[in-house]
Amino acid sequence: AQKVTQAQTEISVVEKEDVTLDCVYETRDTTYYLFWYKQPPSGELVFLIRRNSFDEQNEISGRYSWNFQKSTSSFNFTITASQVVDSAVYFCALSGTNQAGTALIFGKGTTLSVSS
Amino acid sequence: DAGVIQSPRHEVTEMGQEVTLRCKPISGHDYLFWYRQTMMRGLELLIYFNNNVPIDDSGMPEDRFSAKMPNASFSTLKIQPSEPRDSAVYFCASSSGTHNQPQHFGDGTRLSIL
Repeated sequence: AQKVTQAQTEISVVEKEDVTLDCVYETRDTTYYLFWYKQPPSGELVFLIRRNSFDEQNEISGRYSWNFQKSTSSFNFTITASQVVDSAVYFCALSGTNQAGTALIFGKGTTLSVSS
Repeated sequence: DAGVIQSPRHEVTEMGQEVTLRCKPISGHDYLFWYRQTMMRGLELLIYFNNNVPIDDSGMPEDRFSAKMPNASFSTLKIQPSEPRDSAVYFCASSSGTHNQPQHFGDGTRLSIL
């Protein structure tokens, strides 16, 4: 069975602090894909990043960076120098390679609050 | 380019009424997904289509729920009769492939059943 665990329910930081959101996944597939989505207070779901299981290179996009480690089944997301606009719920998600795994399996999400 | 378009954005209705949610996927996308988001269960897949054909409806909670995709540019999710426990945000998403392409979500329909 596939599962995504985001152990941090809520995180509160002050602007300019760095913050890391944890994601741990479970899958029996050898090929799979991991995603992060952002859900701001307005409610829409915004795609942030996709990573396949064969690519363990870390990725950086502006203030965002992602650390994928197959050895620990983790795909963590770091925001550097956080800003108030980063306040949102962040979801980690997993999809497998069999037909039934096409859909995304979401974690419960981490609510990030950034105060000024 | 237009994203996934859902309507209505908000729906408030009394229990027992029929509810129809609508979705227009991104043009060219051949996969369409319906998800439901609640506080208790988070985001969960209800059903998905590939080339207008339902592939997996195992997430549809009950026979009261049905979904159709009559053509590549339109899908509906219908609840009949509706119940208060159906209150949730319903998202439609589309993608141009399976696992290696991200799913793009609509803004969701916030459904309240009184």
